[in-house]
Amino acid sequence: AQSVSQHNHHVILSEAASLELGCNYSYGGTVNLFWYVQYPGQHLQLLLKYFSGDPLVKGIKGFEAEFIKSKFSFNLRKPSVQWSDTAEYFCAVNSYSGGYQKVTFGTGTKLQVIP
Amino acid sequence: EAQVTQNPRYLITVTGKKLTVTCSQNMNHEYMSWYRQDPGLGLRQIYYSMNVEVTDKGDVPEGYKVSRKEKRNFPLILESPSPNQTSLYFCASSVSGTSGRANEQFFGPGTRLTVL
Repeated sequence: AQSVSQHNHHVILSEAASLELGCNYSYGGTVNLFWYVQYPGQHLQLLLKYFSGDPLVKGIKGFEAEFIKSKFSFNLRKPSVQWSDTAEYFCAVNSYSGGYQKVTFGTGTKLQVIP
Repeated sequence: EAQVTQNPRYLITVTGKKLTVTCSQNMNHEYMSWYRQDPGLGLRQIYYSMNVEVTDKGDVPEGYKVSRKEKRNFPLILESPSPNQTSLYFCASSVSGTSGRANEQFFGPGTRLTVL
């Protein structure tokens, strides 16, 4: 069965601090990996995605993530967070097999950035 | 404007009273999906649809029904709602397949449902 783990449930950082949010998945086949962000009171929006190629992917607003296949990880990073990054972040795994698509989300990490 | 719309945005109802939450997308996406979001549990998939007349259960389908008669619409039906279905519901759609644009999901604004 496909699963996603986000170990950090709630992270509090000061502005300008560096951020790394962990995401580990389990699935034996080929996957596509995503990070979504949900700002307070809003719906989820795509931050970045990995399909193939360079395992270091860059997204919007200075976020990046690195796919490490051997560790089944896809951690999200940002060198210097801003107050406006306060949001909930979701890692998601998508597999496509036999004409069917399976999507699994992690439980989310709430990031609070203190000015 | 490319978007996913949901109606209603807020709904308070009573146990056992059938309700439907509509979802519509204007991007010609094959794949559509319903999720519920609960504190500490993240997003859990209820049902999904690979295309018209093709639907399948997600991780938490009990108490819900869906239909996909048209490509753009994917309504969520609660035949007999119960208090444990109080939640925030999101509809999403995406291109299906293995291409580079596939599987990036576009989310609707959400429907906050309270079942008394």
